[in-house]
Amino acid sequence: QSVLRQPPSASGTPGQRVTISCSGTSPNIGRNTVNWYQQLPGTAPKLFIYSSNQRPSGVPDRFSGSKSGTTASLAISGLQSEDEADYYCATWDDSLDGWVFGGGTKLTVL
Amino acid sequence: QVQLQESGPGLVKPSQTLSLTCTVSGDSINRGNFYWSWIRQPAGKGLEWIGRIYTSGSTNYNPSLKSRVTISIDTSKNQFSLRLTSLTAADTAVYFCARALYVPDLWGQGTMVTVSS
Repeated sequence: QSVLRQPPSASGTPGQRVTISCSGTSPNIGRNTVNWYQQLPGTAPKLFIYSSNQRPSGVPDRFSGSKSGTTASLAISGLQSEDEADYYCATWDDSLDGWVFGGGTKLTVL
Repeated sequence: QVQLQESGPGLVKPSQTLSLTCTVSGDSINRGNFYWSWIRQPAGKGLEWIGRIYTSGSTNYNPSLKSRVTISIDTSKNQFSLRLTSLTAADTAVYFCARALYVPDLWGQGTMVTVSS
């Protein structure tokens, strides 16, 4: 059971906009910024969003993040087939004194 | 550029101890204010943070694993290590090492560890 809750799956057609949610509580998302990772099969997670809404160099601006209260969201606009992957949210938890992850959302491009 | 590479046994027997090493190349492990973490992922499942160590040697561990985990650092070898005791099948996973300043931003490719007799 992951500390952060994500929908197990999401889908969209090419060109659509898709949003993935990440729900937490006060000690984690409520007090800290959220990060998002993209994981392709057989590879390590890659940081796609940090500090809730910042993109590392090289990440397309089709990807955006937001946070409100104890919920964070990852939005992907102009969906492309190459976006098909697993997406994980992560943040620091002040009560556990450690990093916590969501269970992951498998994004399918139909 | 900086790279991380995990190494260790791929198969360990139940009740035994797992020892993994992460070698940092391309820069000194001492440079910058980085934390060095271990994270694991059972097949088909999500990510679980195991713990982290700072270059000073201070550590934080996942409370659910704390009694079985030790993370250490050897700056002379540019390596940090994971020791996990009393293994069970539930510890079967891909183990990643990662670097973090404010967030784990650089990961190794991961190493598969199977716990089986």
